Amino acid sequence: GENVEQHPSTLSVQEGDSAVIKCTYSDSASNYFPWYKQELGKRPQLIIDIRSNVGEKKDQRIAVTLNKTAKHFSLHITETQPEDSAVYFCAASIGSGTYKYIFGTGTRLKVLA
Amino acid sequence: DAGVIQSPRHEVTEMGQEVTLRCKPISGHNSLFWYRQTMMRGLELLIYFNNNVPIDDSGMPEDRFSAKMPNASFSTLKIQPSEPRDSAVYFCASSLTQYQPQHFGDGTRLSIL
Repeated sequence: GENVEQHPSTLSVQEGDSAVIKCTYSDSASNYFPWYKQELGKRPQLIIDIRSNVGEKKDQRIAVTLNKTAKHFSLHITETQPEDSAVYFCAASIGSGTYKYIFGTGTRLKVLA
Repeated sequence: DAGVIQSPRHEVTEMGQEVTLRCKPISGHNSLFWYRQTMMRGLELLIYFNNNVPIDDSGMPEDRFSAKMPNASFSTLKIQPSEPRDSAVYFCASSLTQYQPQHFGDGTRLSIL
């Protein structure tokens, strides 16, 4: 069945450094890839998303890249700050243009001050 | 915008009891989703409504689970009878259409003793 693999499961970086989280998906028809940030005890919050017709999208310190051929996409956070510490989930739509996501298993990011 | 509103935030009850979780989607959003989050299984889609109609309930684990959406501004997820393995955080999410990003509520942390 459809699958999304996410790595690493935990990531510690020094404040000001960059963080990269990678996801691989199996459904070649997937065309929508959101990223969610979840702080402890809080709701998943959409931070950035990308559709399959673009290769990269940026929003201030956050960027997402997509390689459709290799079926992987990555989240890049630059100039990390302590408030970036959270669990980050990637997701891929099942099939094209559908509501159903497969979520990755999450990456716990810790930014050390 | 108040966001997706869920109640209660926490629920502790004994096994065998009926549990009702409530959700108010963002005004104007036509799609509503119920998710369950556990450490073991991550985020799982339970059921999806579009324009108040259940479209996909393939994620509902058993007949003990049921969901309704009587109008565009209210949905319930009911578990009867509840079991300890139902303990999880239940999230409701809504989106403008089924093709738009999903926005999550703060969740209900459910503990079945």
